Amino acid sequence: AQSVAQPEDQVNVAEGNPLTVKCTYSVSGNPYLFWYVQYPNRGLQFLLKYITGDNLVKGSYGFEAEFNKSQTSFHLKKPSALVSDSALYFCAVRPTGTASKLTFGTGTRLQVTL
Amino acid sequence: ETGVTQTPRHLVMGMTNKKSLKCEQHLGHNAMYWYKQSAKKPLELMFVYSLEERVENNSVPSRFSPECPNSSHLFLHLHTLQPEDSALYLCASSQDLGLARAGELFFGEGSRLTVL
Repeated sequence: AQSVAQPEDQVNVAEGNPLTVKCTYSVSGNPYLFWYVQYPNRGLQFLLKYITGDNLVKGSYGFEAEFNKSQTSFHLKKPSALVSDSALYFCAVRPTGTASKLTFGTGTRLQVTL
Repeated sequence: ETGVTQTPRHLVMGMTNKKSLKCEQHLGHNAMYWYKQSAKKPLELMFVYSLEERVENNSVPSRFSPECPNSSHLFLHLHTLQPEDSALYLCASSQDLGLARAGELFFGEGSRLTVL
C-alpha cells in the first residue's frame, strides 16, 4: 500500500526567505507525485506534479518541487516566500498503473510572517 | 473559482435526519470524487465515479450513499449519521481516470458538516 509522510505539522518562514515543505512517500513501482494547497475555508488547489523526466518541476505561484528517487522524497520549495503563501499544503502520491488511488499526506501548515 | 461548486457550504444535522450534499462541475470532466477531510488526518477517498459509474467505494459506511445522475452532478445522501462523521466533505473532478490526469483534481470549496 502506498503512503505519504509530511513530517512537519507547521513550517514558519519570514517573508522573503526560501521555504521548504517536506514530503516522503512509499509506493510500489514508479510514483506520480503531486502538491496541493488549501487556503482557509477553501478546497484544495493543484500546484504541481511530477510524472516523469526532469526531477525539478515548476508549478503555480512560483513553487517548485524536487523529486529524489533514492530518498523517496518530493519536497516543495520556493525561493522567496510571501505572506500570501500562508496556507495548508498537501503532498499526494499515486502509483503508475492504478486508476484512482491518490493518497494524500496529513498536510503541513505554512506560516509566512513579515 | 475552480469550476466545481458544492452546496450547502455548511450543514448541521441531527443523527436521525436525512440530508444531501450536492456537487456540480462545469469543466466537462468525466470523473468525480467524494473526499472526507478531518483535522490532522489525511484526506480520505470515499467514492469515485467515472462516466456516472461508480468505480470505487472505499469501505464507506452505508449511511453515506452517493448518486451520480450525470457526469456533471454528484450527490452524497446522508442518513442516521454519527457525531464522528462531522468533517469537511470535498467534491473533486478530473478530466478522466487516465494515469496522470486522475491525480490532477479540481476541488470544490467543501461542505462543512456538523452532526449533533
